[in-house]
Amino acid sequence: DTAVSQTPKYLVTQMGNDKSIKCEQNLGHDTMYWYKQDSKKFLKIMFSYNNKELIINETVPNRFSPKSPDKAHLNLHINSLELGDSAVYFCASSQSVSTDTQYFGPGTRLTVL
Amino acid sequence: AQSVTQLGSHVSVSEGALVLLRCNYSSSVPPYLFWYVQYPNQGLQLLLKYTSAATLVKGINGFEAEFKKSETSFHLTKPSAHMSDAAEYFCAVSDSAGRRALTFGSGTRLQVQP
Repeated sequence: DTAVSQTPKYLVTQMGNDKSIKCEQNLGHDTMYWYKQDSKKFLKIMFSYNNKELIINETVPNRFSPKSPDKAHLNLHINSLELGDSAVYFCASSQSVSTDTQYFGPGTRLTVL
Repeated sequence: AQSVTQLGSHVSVSEGALVLLRCNYSSSVPPYLFWYVQYPNQGLQLLLKYTSAATLVKGINGFEAEFKKSETSFHLTKPSAHMSDAAEYFCAVSDSAGRRALTFGSGTRLQVQP
């Protein structure tokens, strides 16, 4: 069983479209994260939720909106996609906000044309 | 604020040779330090972590790292490289008392030559 799963694995879309990426963890963790990996492999935190509450919101355009329907899921919705949004997006989870180890999903490669 | 610097974006070693990947950190509070490995087209896998216990940390696949506070370093080593070690390696830091988001270095691509 995959501990942290993301769908879709690949997403190709046109500029201006709206798209969502889904993340689910079956580890029973309380805290979930979204990271963005750019074309130079640089990884940066975007958001973090703890028990469905937003606790980290980095300087991300408000076109990006995370939603956590329950603590096992953290979805990422992106409005009005731009070329610069092309990246690999990784979801991660940790047991709690004070736990150090984060477990990563396989990533979603978003390509905006 | 925290930051991580990985010296050398590419490292190439021969199979059987020592692997040394360098990581220096900056943190205003005691740090937690991590090494993650990313194989092509895959997610990140935790290799090892330092969380203020023993300064020499052993991880999976024969890797280890030593936390040196005086040098603000957390270099990753493996005595003998295998072909299967070829991957991208990321050093990361989180603060021990805060929000725990990981701050990553820019990564080091390890190539292993036969």
